[in-house]
This record gives sequence, structure tokens and C-alpha cells, in this order.
Amino acid sequence: DAGITQSPRHKVTETGTPVTLRCHQTENHRYMYWYRQDPGHGLRLIHYSYGVKDTDKGEVSDGYSVSRSKTEDFLLTLESATSSQTSVYFCAISEPKGLTDTQYFGPGTRLTVL
Amino acid sequence: EDQVTQSPEALRLQEGESSSLNCSYTVSGLRGLFWYRQDPGKGPEFLFTLYSAGEEKEKERLKATLTKKESFLHITAPKPEDSATYLCAVLSGGYQKVTFGTGTKLQVIP
Repeated sequence: DAGITQSPRHKVTETGTPVTLRCHQTENHRYMYWYRQDPGHGLRLIHYSYGVKDTDKGEVSDGYSVSRSKTEDFLLTLESATSSQTSVYFCAISEPKGLTDTQYFGPGTRLTVL
Repeated sequence: EDQVTQSPEALRLQEGESSSLNCSYTVSGLRGLFWYRQDPGKGPEFLFTLYSAGEEKEKERLKATLTKKESFLHITAPKPEDSATYLCAVLSGGYQKVTFGTGTKLQVIP
């Protein structure tokens, strides 16, 4: 257990509605990530953060923004949700120490956009 | 572009029937290869990290091996509780870029 929680765990929303997902960690890890998981695509990186207020885009960042104002919280925002953003979203953390770059995942948020 | 391909997509085994899952990869500058287990409705659970060709790691009935082009996850005498989707991922590049395969869904029948 890497001390990662995600909220909400489930959400149903309508197209065009803004949505914010929260990832909270308790162990002061420097790196945090947001992934989405869809059948046939595996896990794909949306955005990641390498410190407070330091973020960068992943491979599927269009339509998403992130913020990290505190070490422990990493927020993912869908400014105007679309049906193509229906997915399971996972937060992950890592703390690279030499060769140890392992990412640990949270429990996920299932988002449905109607 | 980094690519990770896992095979087979699904595998059904009788309890005690050993087998292997394959993860082949194409990546520039491999820094590490990960194996995860994922149960339905849950996040991936870390199993192993392998860093260089020839490396092997074991955990209970699982053994992961790495070559320059692929990795194998060997499952010895599996039990029904080993049923899950097994994910392979590679770490490359100058930042924490991880590319995942689509997984192998393993079902172990009593």
C-alpha cells in the first residue's frame, strides 16, 4: 500500500460538465501521474508532476489539465467532459532512488460521461 | 515510439498447470521493465522490476526473466487466486516515461 487515495471512486456526469478528480498521497513522493485505462489500449499517461507546480504532458493530454499546489495532492480536471473521456482513471506515484523507479498505483476512479 | 506487446491476450490454465506469459518490447534506452498484477476493479499491483538482460526475480509461484527483446513471466503450479490480468511496462527516456502493454488475462481453474 503506497498510501494513495483517489476521489471520487465513481462518477457519472454529462457531456460539457467540468469534472475534477483528486489524487492524495501520504508519503511525500515527488512524482505523481495520471493515467487512463481503456480496453485495448492499456494504461496511457495523461499528465505527470515532478514537484509542486511542476507538471508536464503525457501522450493523451488533450482535454485535460492538472494542478499540484501541495506535494500530497494532484488534481486532474476535465474542463468540458466528452463521451470519449469515459474511462477508468488511475493515479500513480514514484520516488526514483538510483535504479528504483517503480510506480505504485491508486485504486482508480471510474468516470462515465453521458 | 516505444512499443510493448503482450501475449497471449488471454490464458486459461488448470490449477497446477505451469505456463509463461510473454512481453516483447521495442524501446530506445530501456531503463527498466515492470510486471504488475491487476484484479478486476482495482489498480495495478507491483510485482517486479527488471533492469538488465539476464536478470531474474521470483515471488512465490511467479518468476520474471528479461532478455534484450522480451520478458517472460513464468507461473509455476498456479492456483485459482493467481487469476488476474498481468501487465508489462517499460521505462525509458529522460523522465518517468512508462509504456504499458495491454495485458494478459489469466484464469486458473480449480
